[in-house]
Amino acid sequence: QQPVQSPQAVILREGEDAVINCSSSKALYSVHWYRQKHGEAPVFLMILLKGGEQKGHEKISASFNEKKQQSSLYLTASQLSYSGTYFCGTADSSYKLIFGSGTRLLVRP
Amino acid sequence: NAGVTQTPKFRILKIGQSMTLQCAQDMNHNYMYWYRQDPGMGLKLIYYSVGAGITDKGEVPNGYNVSRSTTEDFPLRLELAAPSQTSVYFCASSSRGGNTEAFFGQGTRLTVV
Repeated sequence: QQPVQSPQAVILREGEDAVINCSSSKALYSVHWYRQKHGEAPVFLMILLKGGEQKGHEKISASFNEKKQQSSLYLTASQLSYSGTYFCGTADSSYKLIFGSGTRLLVRP
Repeated sequence: NAGVTQTPKFRILKIGQSMTLQCAQDMNHNYMYWYRQDPGMGLKLIYYSVGAGITDKGEVPNGYNVSRSTTEDFPLRLELAAPSQTSVYFCASSSRGGNTEAFFGQGTRLTVV
């Protein structure tokens, strides 16, 4: 089952914060986050393994609640370069990596 | 560093024709994946492989076939192409399946007319 992402789209002003959510109906081993610019391949942001670990990468961080099978991506003080489509990917015990339908983020000056 | 290489980058196919999309990685990764991405949509898993000689179906396998005879290569075969297969196809690989980062190729843009 495909993970569910929300919201579908977000428009921000530069410097504002955003949260993107990802949930699954299946038990998860890991959650991945990727960003895709138009016409390009997805680029890896971070991976969270089961255990409720929170990771950060500059002003982008994420959390993973294993019990609730949910993850959130936090974008703080957004920059123009953050614009793109964000995908969460989930992996179960079969090692299949499947992706949500994406969240389109537009950061305006 | 080449990473994941896909060929061709673009292809126009006529209805009913067949073709093979090539994917090669030079990172000695056991896990490889094929995805399709329709315009404005997410990535759908077609097939995946956990090692040479082992493949399994993903979310949308109908109309496609795969083989994995070596660790490096994971070709995707389209038989009897249909307009519904017009999409961008991405190949990806990872060292330890879902527990490690997936590296994506640059994609193959396929149009079936």
